[in-house]
Amino acid sequence: DAKTTQPNSMESNEEEPVHLPCNHSTISGTDYIHWYRQLPSQGPEYVIHGLTSNVNNRMASLAIAEDRKSSTLILHRATLRDAAVYYCILISGGSNYKLTFGKGTLLTVNP
Amino acid sequence: NAGVTQTPKFRVLKTGQSMTLLCAQDMNHEYMYWYRQDPGMGLRLIHYSVGEGTTAKGEVPDGYNVSRLKKQNFLLGLESAAPSQTSVYFCASSYRTGGWELFFGEGSRLTVL
Repeated sequence: DAKTTQPNSMESNEEEPVHLPCNHSTISGTDYIHWYRQLPSQGPEYVIHGLTSNVNNRMASLAIAEDRKSSTLILHRATLRDAAVYYCILISGGSNYKLTFGKGTLLTVNP
Repeated sequence: NAGVTQTPKFRVLKTGQSMTLLCAQDMNHEYMYWYRQDPGMGLRLIHYSVGEGTTAKGEVPDGYNVSRLKKQNFLLGLESAAPSQTSVYFCASSYRTGGWELFFGEGSRLTVL
């Protein structure tokens, strides 16, 4: 299974942009890049996903490297409610259904 | 639209007891998953299902059994609970794999004494 690598933790200030990196050097052509976040005592929630092109939604933006071996989740203006663990995972559009979540990045947002 | 619902949300068991966790989704999703999360860890896949009547092993299947008799329900069973199975269990579902988002339940906290 293709793996992802993320920093254990990152810190940001409120109302500043946050760039959360993810490396996935063994990504295959059918793998979609997904981001989820988990607030304390809650289940993970979907943030954004993409295949090859950069993506934007109301929550965040996803920037995907041209070779697809890395990606960056961008929170344009961090709020205290964005403090969470962020998971970058690869989900295959082929026959591999085993979705593995690493430890993710713990984002701390300072007021 | 309730999404993914897990019951019970909390349970305390004694070693050797059995129990079943129920996951229900009302989104007509084909794929369903059971994960466990231990303190400071990510989510580890226990079992998954790619459709009604099908199940498969994930990363940490030992000590658990599952059934998917109805498309909307995915049951996780512990036949003889052990303290090592103390964890928070999350169910998830998705319409398909690949470019389809996962929807998670709120979790079930299980303590085995």
